[in-house]
Amino acid sequence: AQSVTQLGSHVSVSEGALVLLRCNYSSSVPPYLFWYVQYPNQGLQLLLKYTSAATLVKGINGFEAEFKKSETSFHLTKPSAHMSDAAEYFCAGNQGGKLIFGQGTELSVKP
Amino acid sequence: DTGVSQDPRHKITKRGQNVTFRCDPISEHNRLYWYRQTLGQGPEFLTYFQNEAQLEKSRLLSDRFSAERPKGSFSTLEIQRTEQGDSAMYLCASSPLSQQNTEAFFGQGTRLTVV
Repeated sequence: AQSVTQLGSHVSVSEGALVLLRCNYSSSVPPYLFWYVQYPNQGLQLLLKYTSAATLVKGINGFEAEFKKSETSFHLTKPSAHMSDAAEYFCAGNQGGKLIFGQGTELSVKP
Repeated sequence: DTGVSQDPRHKITKRGQNVTFRCDPISEHNRLYWYRQTLGQGPEFLTYFQNEAQLEKSRLLSDRFSAERPKGSFSTLEIQRTEQGDSAMYLCASSPLSQQNTEAFFGQGTRLTVV
């Protein structure tokens, strides 16, 4: 069975600083991994997904994530944070045809 | 296509009442999922359908919860005899294929408050 763990329920960065949100997975088979973003009172929007075609995945809004099998990680990064990036971010993996989510990381961006 | 649509967006109900939520998936998506999300938590899987067949139900889905997807199009989630612990955001999602690398597309959710 697959599970995902997000380290840090809250991350705060200054505008223009690097964003790093951590996600680790546990799986006995090659995983399919996803990052979603959720703004207040909204549904989830896909940022990017890993499907084994490439270990560095680029997504929307300048985000990217790198799949590292040796570390069982799929961390999300963005070189320069914008105020509009403030939201909740969820890492998810596919288990038996359905998505299983981490507990989420709330990103705050300070001016 | 306007995406996954959920109705209502908000529902306030008294404890003990029954509520029903509707989800309209993206056209021709054969998979439809229901999730529950409480404050500060990730979405928790409840159940999913492939066309009209309900393929899996979580242990979270007590006997007070029932979901249907007649004709493989829209879906309804009913909660009977609501309890305060049922207060949450209920999210619906759909996906076009049953491949594991396919993402799910989410609606904006129905926020349920049980008073």
